[in-house]
Order: sequence, then C-alpha cells, then structure tokens
Amino acid sequence: LAKTTQPISMDSYEGQEVNITCSHNNIATNDYITWYQQFPSQGPRFIIQGYKTKVTNEVASLFIPADRKSSTLSLPRVSLSDTAVYYCLVGDNDGTGGFKTIFGAGTRLFVKA
Amino acid sequence: DVKVTQSSRYLVKRTGEKVFLECVQDMDHENMFWYRQDPGLGLRLIYFSYDVKMKEKGDIPEGYSVSREKKERFSLILESASTNQTSMYLCASSLGVITYEQYFGPGTRLTVT
Repeated sequence: LAKTTQPISMDSYEGQEVNITCSHNNIATNDYITWYQQFPSQGPRFIIQGYKTKVTNEVASLFIPADRKSSTLSLPRVSLSDTAVYYCLVGDNDGTGGFKTIFGAGTRLFVKA
Repeated sequence: DVKVTQSSRYLVKRTGEKVFLECVQDMDHENMFWYRQDPGLGLRLIYFSYDVKMKEKGDIPEGYSVSREKKERFSLILESASTNQTSMYLCASSLGVITYEQYFGPGTRLTVT
C-alpha cells in the first residue's frame, strides 16, 4: 500500500499561492490521488482528484509528475478562510473486491493577514 | 446536497461497555466508510461497506465490528470499549470507490473512561 508523507505544517499570507506536496513513493498503477480539506470540528471535504499530469478546478490545481511518486496541491491566492488541515489520500482497489485508503497525517496550513 | 449524519457529536462511555455509533446518508450511495482520527495520525480506515450486508476490513479493524442492514445506514460497534478507543470517529459515503469523492459526516468524539 502506498504510504503518503506531507509536511506537518505551513504558514502563508493572504493573497499568496500555496503549494503543498505529498510524497507517495510506492503508489500503484490503480491508485488515484485525492486531496481533502478539513476545518476544526468538521469532517474532511473533497477538494480535487487526479491520476496523472494536471487537474484544475475552481478551488485548486493538482500537479502529478510522470512517475506519480508525488503530487502537489496548489491553492491560488489563499485567504484567511483557507486555514485548515489538508490531507493527501491515495486509494486503490486491492484486486479482491476490497479497498484500502491511506490518508496522510495532513498538513496544517495557517494563513496570516 | 449530500448529507451524512452521525448519531452523536459527543459520547462518553465506560471501559467494557458496548458502544454503537450510527451513520446515515441520504444520497443512495453504495459505499460507506468508518474512520478514526487521532492527532498526528490522520484518518485511518476501520471498515467500509460497498453494499448492504457487505463489509470489508480497513487498516485498523481490531476491536471493531460493523453492520449494514439498510443501504442508508452503517453502524460501527465497539463490542467492549477500551480507553485506547477514545478518538474522533468519522463516517463517510461515496457513490463509487476509487474515483468518487467521499462525503463525511461531522464526526463523533468518543471518550472511554
């Protein structure tokens, strides 16, 4: 199973672009990479998902290099409300009908005014 | 909007008690998940279910069991609660397994004394 590694915390200022990298060296062929955001006292919320190259939606971009051993979540022009914990998730079907998910420990992003 | 509800936000139980955590989703999702979240460890999958009466072990199933008698409801059972099961428990549901986002409930903070 692919284990994920993320920085424990990051600080930023309002208006800056923030890039959070997740390492998943043992990612398997079937694995997708998904990012979630979690505010205190709430469950995680889906941000973006990708398999390779680049994915962009209205909230973020996800960059995945060709070897897929890492991925970078890019948040453009962060605001104070983006202060949260961001989780990188690698999940795969284990081929027997089962499903395993590996959430990283999360990156705590603190956006300052 | 998808809504995932959990029966309690806070729960205090004694060691050895049998504990039921209930989760209900209203979007007719096939898949439901139970995670626990502990500081520094991120989210860890306990069990998931891909259909009524079907269940699969996640990464940390020891000490837990689950029940899914109806599509919309997924229960987590602690047969004999122990202090090391004090944690935040999060339920999630999704339409699919790999490429579909998971919708999380608000969580139940369980304290076992």
